[in-house]
Amino acid sequence: AQKVTQAQTEISVVEKEDVTLDCVYETRDTTYYLFWYKQPPSGELVFLIRRNSFDEQNEISGRYSWNFQKSTSSFNFTITASQVVDSAVYFCALSEAQGANNLFFGTGTRLTVIP
Amino acid sequence: EAGVVQSPRYKIIEKKQPVAFWCNPISGHNTLYWYLQNLGQGPELLIRYENEEAVDDSQLPKDRFSAERLKGVDSTLKIQPAELGDSAVYLCASSLSLAGGMNEQFFGPGTRLTVL
Repeated sequence: AQKVTQAQTEISVVEKEDVTLDCVYETRDTTYYLFWYKQPPSGELVFLIRRNSFDEQNEISGRYSWNFQKSTSSFNFTITASQVVDSAVYFCALSEAQGANNLFFGTGTRLTVIP
Repeated sequence: EAGVVQSPRYKIIEKKQPVAFWCNPISGHNTLYWYLQNLGQGPELLIRYENEEAVDDSQLPKDRFSAERLKGVDSTLKIQPAELGDSAVYLCASSLSLAGGMNEQFFGPGTRLTVL
């Protein structure tokens, strides 16, 4: 069975600090996909990144970076030089190839960036 | 390009009343999803459509929930009768699903339901 754990319920940082959001997943499939979504106060989930299980290369996009480690079943998300606009709830999600594209979400981490 | 459209954005009803939510996916997206998001939780899938066909409704409480996607475009999710525990945000998402691929889902703003 699949499971996504985001142990950090809430995090507060001061603007310009770096912050890492943790995500640990469980799956029996060898082929799966991992996602991060951002949910600002407006409520709409915004897609940030998708990685497949065969690509463990870390990825950087501007101030965002992702560290995928199959050995520890983790897919962590780092925001560098955080900004107030980064304040939101961030969800990690898993989709199994055998699961027909259904997404299983973690419980989310609420990030507050203090100016 | 227009995103996923949902209406209404907010709905307040009394328990035992019926309620319906509407979703218009991104043009050309063949797959449509309805999710339920309780406060402080991640979204949970209720039903997934591939074109007109409901291919996964295993998590839909069929005694009171129903959904349809006529003509394979927009969709309606209904609750009848609503219960207090149905208070939540109902999210619609769509994707362009291709054979052997995994495409990201695009979400609408959701409908926040409050049952009194």
